[in-house]
Amino acid sequence: GAGVSQTPSNKVTEKGKYVELRCDPISGHTALYWYRQSLGQGPEFLIYFQGTGAADDSGLPNDRFFAVRPEGSVSTLKIQRTERGDSAVYLCASSSTSAGSYNEQFFGPGTRLTVL
Amino acid sequence: AQTVTQSQPEMSVQEAETVTLSCTYDTSESDYYLFWYKQPPSRQMILVIRQEAYKQQNATENRFSVNFQKAAKSFSLKISDSQLGDAAMYFCAYSPYGGGYGNKLVFGAGTILRVKS
Repeated sequence: GAGVSQTPSNKVTEKGKYVELRCDPISGHTALYWYRQSLGQGPEFLIYFQGTGAADDSGLPNDRFFAVRPEGSVSTLKIQRTERGDSAVYLCASSSTSAGSYNEQFFGPGTRLTVL
Repeated sequence: AQTVTQSQPEMSVQEAETVTLSCTYDTSESDYYLFWYKQPPSRQMILVIRQEAYKQQNATENRFSVNFQKAAKSFSLKISDSQLGDAAMYFCAYSPYGGGYGNKLVFGAGTILRVKS
């Protein structure tokens, strides 16, 4: 079956603009994660959805960042008033959820965001 | 807060040889998971191997094996018979044990592995 997909693959924007990054998880996966990977670093957790609700948004850096998952499938990460420091690869991952077992996170190829 | 440290920014190995990548972590939890992920230039993060902290036996997956030292909080990855396709960035990662209900990953900074032919 299809894996996690993310669009766009690359996004270039100007400082101060608004951007939306989309994630299509594996069909049937109820858990969805967003991570941010700055150049030369490991990914950092941003937010985790269980179904439609954000179960953990402790990684969002400030109120310019927010994410939605209105129907429990596709998720959109939204960044307002972009800053040059927001430039990074944004990774999405999804997993199924089964009580008492480990659920592997499957990653998408990421969106590379460049803020000029 | 949990942290993961990879002290080797870059490693090189000759094709068909063995290489070990190091990782240490810090946590106050007794139950957790540890992982090694591979990230090639395509950016696709691929799970290489997983270790449950409550298991004493070291995990193995074909040419990949780990040396898990719980008391020392050390988790190294050994790649045997290295192949050109193993060249990538490798990340060590930690996840708390949550009974399967979704857990965020904490990653190290990564180690670039170069494989020489």
